[in-house]
Amino acid sequence: GAVVSQHPSWVICKSGTSVKIECRSLDFQATTMFWYRQFPKQSLMLMATSNEGSKATYEQGVEKDKFLINHASLTLSTLTVTSAHPEDSSFYICSAIEGPGDTEAFFGQGTRLTVV
Amino acid sequence: LAKTTQPISMDSYEGQEVNITCSHNNIATNDYITWYQQFPSQGPRFIIQGYKTKVTNEVASLFIPADRKSSTLSLPRVSLSDTAVYYCLVGDMGTGRRALTFGSGTRLQVQP
Repeated sequence: GAVVSQHPSWVICKSGTSVKIECRSLDFQATTMFWYRQFPKQSLMLMATSNEGSKATYEQGVEKDKFLINHASLTLSTLTVTSAHPEDSSFYICSAIEGPGDTEAFFGQGTRLTVV
Repeated sequence: LAKTTQPISMDSYEGQEVNITCSHNNIATNDYITWYQQFPSQGPRFIIQGYKTKVTNEVASLFIPADRKSSTLSLPRVSLSDTAVYYCLVGDMGTGRRALTFGSGTRLQVQP
């Protein structure tokens, strides 16, 4: 299947700093990418949907000014956690769909963010 | 989006067949049923997808009755490495809202 890669796999940052997480589709062009957050022992929660070249659509309760999403190309989407706080510590996962009508989403390996 | 209901956890032993059933009573005509597997600290991995009847691949089978209000993931002869969380998702990837919404999942524990 298609490969989606996230970088970094894990990151530790100080409270108040910003962290950028990259999500790349390695062997296909992704028209749409999704960002999820997962807390320990819980399910994945959708944060936002991004389409290449347009603004991301955020889920209710997700602060768009805190979680900046940029889908600059068909193979790259970035999630920037701004002014991170310990409560932002979580597992962030992206997924991507190749094109309209495709029914399978491919997931990255996830990024473990720890804010200290 | 169709809501899904799965058992929270299941236990099995190596070599047994495991069947995990998912309820999705308000599934829409355009919705597909997809199952993912997730290991700790990893992203979900696609297992199988279907629309109706039966689908089989090298790792699992998916049974979908005619009314499509439920589906059953069947894992033949599980091993310890099949211990994971299994998610049933229902969604329309072709039009409109295309994000997959995850339910609580089923935590499968395989014992030796």
